[in-house]
Amino acid sequence: SQQGEEDPQALSIQEGENATMNCSYKTSINNLQWYRQNSGRGLVHLILIRSNEREKHSGRLRVTLDTSKKSSSLLITASRAADTASYFCAASGNRDDKIIFGKGTRLHILP
Amino acid sequence: KAGVTQTPRYLIKTRGQQVTLSCSPISGHRSVSWYQQTPGQGLQFLFEYFSETQRNKGNFPGRFSGRQFSNSRSEMNVSTLELGDSALYLCASSLENTDTQYFGPGTRLTVL
Repeated sequence: SQQGEEDPQALSIQEGENATMNCSYKTSINNLQWYRQNSGRGLVHLILIRSNEREKHSGRLRVTLDTSKKSSSLLITASRAADTASYFCAASGNRDDKIIFGKGTRLHILP
Repeated sequence: KAGVTQTPRYLIKTRGQQVTLSCSPISGHRSVSWYQQTPGQGLQFLFEYFSETQRNKGNFPGRFSGRQFSNSRSEMNVSTLELGDSALYLCASSLENTDTQYFGPGTRLTVL
């Protein structure tokens, strides 16, 4: 099974600053996904990056993938109060693999 | 398209009871996964169903079980509830388990 491990566990930054979260995984992957969860709610898909991609953008989000280091990073630029949430990565192998989420990074945007 | 729905949204049970949670996936999605989320353990994978077959299972005791119906709707059952089963139970559906997962709002289970 795949494993996503996020780092750091918690992050507090001022509104307007950039936030960077990292994810490491253990074996080869088909794709890696990032999700956001607002307190006590379901997860919302943010972005999916395939193993043959190195970088992907979506609005203020930028995701990079380094398969040689088995790591990914999520950058949120110009953070807003509404970005306060927990962020999870999930690494996916083949369809017979379980997708395992890490414990997430709790991001707090300070006014 | 309607999103993933989970019922009930909140549930209070006492130790020793059993509970059944329901998940209706997005139309056309055949993969349904269940997760348990607690503050201390994060999101833990319970099981995944695809076309009525359990394809993957997490490290949970046999008290946790599930099934999927021909219309892809899924249920999970927890028997002999323990205090530690108090958690948010999340269901997610996808076309294939390697694809984007769409999560429901969750069922908040409290065991007293």
